[in-house]
Amino acid sequence: NAGVTQTPKFRILKIGQSMTLQCTQDMNHNYMYWYRQDPGMGLKLIYYSVGAGITDKGEVPNGYNVSRSTTEDFPLRLELAAPSQTSVYFCASSYKYNEQFFGPGTRLTVL
Amino acid sequence: DQQVKQNSPSLSVQEGRISILNCDYTNSMFDYFLWYKKYPAEGPTFLISISSIKDKNEDGRFTVFLNKSAKHLSLHIVPSQPGDSAVYFCAASEGIQGAQKLVFGQGTRLTINP
Repeated sequence: NAGVTQTPKFRILKIGQSMTLQCTQDMNHNYMYWYRQDPGMGLKLIYYSVGAGITDKGEVPNGYNVSRSTTEDFPLRLELAAPSQTSVYFCASSYKYNEQFFGPGTRLTVL
Repeated sequence: DQQVKQNSPSLSVQEGRISILNCDYTNSMFDYFLWYKKYPAEGPTFLISISSIKDKNEDGRFTVFLNKSAKHLSLHIVPSQPGDSAVYFCAASEGIQGAQKLVFGQGTRLTINP
């Protein structure tokens, strides 16, 4: 099993550009999550999903959108990139309330 | 408002000794707690968890202690090994059923010296 995979690993965006961070898991987990981690801070939940077609906001959802059309994929969309969105983004998945398995992260810089 | 706090940004411990990492929380609704370990350029990995019905949970070299009255938990690593050098995050949720909405602390960087 590859576990949770994220692409790209690194990305530099200009202010106002848009992009999609990809996340795929092969563990057949229903629950998936997106977090961001700013320097010296803990992870903050952006959005989560408890199954295909069901998503909900986390602590810091502004400026982001998600969709969940399949069990495996949970892409995160940034529509109008801003410098405040410079961060490391982690995707995770879990079987219901059990431990979350994290991907390796995407480092995003907005200039 | 930081609901989960790890007040020590870093900790240095001699190999073979005990490492104690601390975590405080302010939300009295939190009753499920987890520790994650993170190496550079990797995602966090789950270490150990504890529910508020217990005050201690042990898994090999790792033990988590929970003091509900003080809203404090700690992770003990005995004996510490060089491979334990990493950043450790404490996380909390409102019950195991709320574990899809974890709140993380800022992390403590643990360095194990040979």
